[in-house]
Amino acid sequence: DTAVSQTPKYLVTQMGNDKSIKCEQNLGHDTMYWYKQDSKKFLKIMFSYNNKELIINETVPNRFSPKSPDKAHLNLHINSLELGDSAVYFCASSQDRSGGNYEQYFGPGTRLTVT
Amino acid sequence: SQQGEEDPQALSIQEGENATMNCSYKTSINNLQWYRQNSGRGLVHLILIRSNEREKHSGRLRVTLDTSKKSSSLLITASRAADTASYFCATPPPSGTYKYIFGTGTRLKVLA
Repeated sequence: DTAVSQTPKYLVTQMGNDKSIKCEQNLGHDTMYWYKQDSKKFLKIMFSYNNKELIINETVPNRFSPKSPDKAHLNLHINSLELGDSAVYFCASSQDRSGGNYEQYFGPGTRLTVT
Repeated sequence: SQQGEEDPQALSIQEGENATMNCSYKTSINNLQWYRQNSGRGLVHLILIRSNEREKHSGRLRVTLDTSKKSSSLLITASRAADTASYFCATPPPSGTYKYIFGTGTRLKVLA
């Protein structure tokens, strides 16, 4: 059974479009995350939700809007896509409530290409 | 600069050899984690070492932590071609936040 799943795996779109990436975890975790991995493999946290509440919102353009309809889902909507948004986006989850004491489980990633 | 920085950036070894990669960090931590990322896949957690631990083993993996030097090392013994991947260290800041910070990774290539 897949622990953390993301859809789609690949996303190719044109500048200016709006797109969404979905994430679901079946681990019963309380905390979910979105990360962006650039072409140099640098992984940077974008958002974190705990029990559907936004905990971390890094300096991400407000074109990016996460939504957590329930504890098991954290979706990422991106408006007005730009070339610089091209990257691999990873969803992750963890059991942790207090910060950092448990491992994170990652989804397979969504490779976004903006042309 | 980044909280976690791995060294070397890339490493190429023969099957059967040992691979050692290092991670340095800047602020105090309560634990440090190592992850593996195979090409085109998500990260997989390997091992977590707490700040009061100096060494931890898991199969062919050995992790050390030196909090005085703010550094950690990951040793993979008797490497296999399947160990070819990028390896990242991750440090969470002190308790109360959820902000894991990942290093830039070490790209390991094990030649058969």
